[in-house]
Amino acid sequence: GAVVSQHPSWVICKSGTSVKIECRSLDFQATTMFWYRQFPKQSLMLMATSNEGSKATYEQGVEKDKFLINHASLTLSTLTVTSAHPEDSSFYICSAGGVTSFREQYFGPGTRLTVT
Amino acid sequence: GENVEQHPSTLSVQEGDSAVIKCTYSDSASNYFPWYKQELGKRPQLIIDIRSNVGEKKDQRIAVTLNKTAKHFSLHITETQPEDSAVYFCAASKGNQGGKLIFGQGTELSVKP
Repeated sequence: GAVVSQHPSWVICKSGTSVKIECRSLDFQATTMFWYRQFPKQSLMLMATSNEGSKATYEQGVEKDKFLINHASLTLSTLTVTSAHPEDSSFYICSAGGVTSFREQYFGPGTRLTVT
Repeated sequence: GENVEQHPSTLSVQEGDSAVIKCTYSDSASNYFPWYKQELGKRPQLIIDIRSNVGEKKDQRIAVTLNKTAKHFSLHITETQPEDSAVYFCAASKGNQGGKLIFGQGTELSVKP
């Protein structure tokens, strides 16, 4: 149980284009989903917290107009990187918080974004 | 805001030896402390966690200790094996923030056969 998927697993896009990443909880309902970014050899940095049906809460320094987050249902959250630039190239990982434990999180497999 | 410091950044041990990784946190309201193992290009995997009402927890070769007064917690791996080689992250969260995790900087563990 507690499986989280992400799609795509990797994507290459040109500078200036937008990319959408999907995060799904497959066998449970996630009231809260989190989006992290991880640069090579660095830690996971929380970008934003999204709750189903409400606006995402962004961490300090994360541009909400550039990283659009939508959490339309209890099983799906999307992250759209708008007007991507090479410095946005990173490993993006989502996690979902289950309804049974508000502290435990289940991580998706990550999406490798490369902006050329 | 909450800050989590993790040491060392790299750790090399011989197979069979023990490995210890330490973390300190800044927010005394933190009450959940998980440890994750991450292999290159993969998702973090929860290996053990501890809640603030417990001082120690053990699961086979892995143990975690928590000192709430000093605001630090440690991961202990005994009888290390080459497959333990990975990056390990500690994290902390407060229950009133819906499980938001703040991660330490990570420790790259290398177990030499």
